[in-house]
Amino acid sequence: AIQMTQSPSSLSASVGDRVTITCRASQGIRNDLGWYQQKPGKAPKLLIYAASSLQSGVPSRFSGSGSGTDFTLTISSLQPEDFATYYCLQDYNYPFTFGPGTKVDIK
Amino acid sequence: EVQLVESGGGLVQPGGSLRLSCAASGFTVSSNYMSWVRQAPGKGLEWVSVIYSGGSTYYADSVKGRFTISRDNSKNTLYLQMNSLRAEDTAVYYCAREHGSGNYWGQGTLVTVSS
Repeated sequence: AIQMTQSPSSLSASVGDRVTITCRASQGIRNDLGWYQQKPGKAPKLLIYAASSLQSGVPSRFSGSGSGTDFTLTISSLQPEDFATYYCLQDYNYPFTFGPGTKVDIK
Repeated sequence: EVQLVESGGGLVQPGGSLRLSCAASGFTVSSNYMSWVRQAPGKGLEWVSVIYSGGSTYYADSVKGRFTISRDNSKNTLYLQMNSLRAEDTAVYYCAREHGSGNYWGQGTLVTVSS
């Protein structure tokens, strides 16, 4: 199975900060990667699919980049509602695998 | 409006069985690929299984041979049959439509495996 790693595992940031989260795959996955946001007690919400495509309705401050093994989720200006846990998911081959998550909290 | 509603969770003893349902509205289950994803208490997300429109199915290694994903087109409902349950299967189980631009999730149903 493809292993997904994320860094950092957690970060503290302030409103207005630029935040970058990295996801790395144990082998090449083309651009078959999505980014999800999850808040406590809620279902995950898709932010980015195909590594860099913004899901409909998601604010443009979220962006994704990368291909192959290294991917990045960037929040250009962190807003209060963005404090959450973020996961990457590879859907390149089976079994699909999530990264361990990055928790973003308030500094 | 697209909606997914899971049901069937509950408390079950180790070795027991449970069938989860995911009732869909606003779209046709058989025309999309559908997944189950779970989350153990306080832990991250774990992909469990997928069924494609053509009927192909795939599973995580942790559930292969014990869980079966299926759908009832007449009821527009997705299922997850879970057998030989273990304590480590305790989690909130979510159903999801696709992982691309057509992604939607249900609210989840809690499965607790304990004696």
